Amino acid sequence: DGGITQSPKYLFRKEGQNVTLSCEQNLNHDAMYWYRQDPGQGLRLIYYSQIVNDFQKGDIAEGYSVSREKKESFPLTVTSAQKNPTAFYLCASSISVELRVNEQFFGPGTRLTVL
Amino acid sequence: AQKVTQAQTEISVVEKEDVTLDCVYETRDTTYYLFWYKQPPSGELVFLIRRNSFDEQNEISGRYSWNFQKSTSSFNFTITASQVVDSAVYFCALSELTQGGSEKLVFGKGTKLTVNP
Repeated sequence: DGGITQSPKYLFRKEGQNVTLSCEQNLNHDAMYWYRQDPGQGLRLIYYSQIVNDFQKGDIAEGYSVSREKKESFPLTVTSAQKNPTAFYLCASSISVELRVNEQFFGPGTRLTVL
Repeated sequence: AQKVTQAQTEISVVEKEDVTLDCVYETRDTTYYLFWYKQPPSGELVFLIRRNSFDEQNEISGRYSWNFQKSTSSFNFTITASQVVDSAVYFCALSELTQGGSEKLVFGKGTKLTVNP
């Protein structure tokens, strides 16, 4: 089945530790995205990547880092510099960044809790 | 900057009632695209519809219908004869061009719909 996988579903970390969230897609999509969702809030864009070896900051990139070494993978690292990392993180992909003609497909999300 | 407002934070209805979810947007673009997504309790967002600013015709898909009114900058979503499975958070979104020339979505805060049996 084609789709987006995010692992793990739930993640717990101690304050001050970096943590990496996994996102893999087998849809052969060029574009990938990371969003953060807080209770009662919409989705906010952290980073996006149009193509392999390229990525751009979104609206709330501070305290996060990404890499795009392979087309199918777009891991997100939440660093200790992120002041309030506890949130639900959603990964998405689309054929290209032309979202007016290409819908975004979303993964099931990872709920990160920093203790 | 683009903005999407979903004024209804939570709505609760009884099964078989009709329910309308409101979405108001702000944009300076003359061409833009609007979206609705559904987020069930499992967490994964599901695409429902995309509508461009040139097409003001209402759209119906089964029990779902969308009313796009450019004059009031609204793109409302109606579920007819609601069912328990419709319980979810619904997001309205607007496309925005980034400085780099790509596109991103600006999401509203979502409306949590609960359909009670």
